[in-house]
Amino acid sequence: SAVISQKPSRDICQRGTSLTIQCQVDSQVTMMFWYRQQPGQSLTLIATANQGSEATYESGFVIDKFPISRPNLTFSTLTVSNMSPEDSSIYLCSVEEAGGRLFFGEGSRLTVL
Amino acid sequence: GESVGLHLPTLSVQEGDNSIINCAYSNSASDYFIWYKQESGKGPQFIIDIRSNMDKRQGQRVTVLLNKTVKHLSLQIAATQPGDSAVYFCAENGAGSYQLTFGKGTKLSVIP
Repeated sequence: SAVISQKPSRDICQRGTSLTIQCQVDSQVTMMFWYRQQPGQSLTLIATANQGSEATYESGFVIDKFPISRPNLTFSTLTVSNMSPEDSSIYLCSVEEAGGRLFFGEGSRLTVL
Repeated sequence: GESVGLHLPTLSVQEGDNSIINCAYSNSASDYFIWYKQESGKGPQFIIDIRSNMDKRQGQRVTVLLNKTVKHLSLQIAATQPGDSAVYFCAENGAGSYQLTFGKGTKLSVIP
């Protein structure tokens, strides 16, 4: 399976600031996704990162809050904007491989004070 | 909307015993199911998957069973080891959708 690297692995941020999370894959992939995992909870899809076009957001998530870039088939970024303590979560990058299997990075653990 | 859920939030088993983690799904159109293992501080790790045209699939020490009649999915772990301690999530990919819907997770604790 593809190797998925996320940066930063964790961060502590101040309320009102923004943080950009990077996801690098070691091979070209068509489908890349960003998930959120709130403390003690399951995974929720934020958006599909589309290469060359605007991301497709799920209900409850908007571009102004979670802008996403996908400049090529191996890289994507997710920005968490104007953060509040409610944004404290693990943010996970994932890629879809042959057969529909979804693989995940190790996640970026964000704490907002 | 449609959802995927789990019967038991926590499960404790003795080392060497077999573990069974259950999952119920409500979308009858779902045709693809995956089990993930998430260890503390790590991302979800793919364990095994199964398509709706099968009712059983085996991997190394793991077996996934699918009962479409009652919309139930289970993960069986043979000879459970301390390294199996983690949270296990089931996920389903509804027919025609590339998106995964995740269940709430079951925490498996292995007693040495």
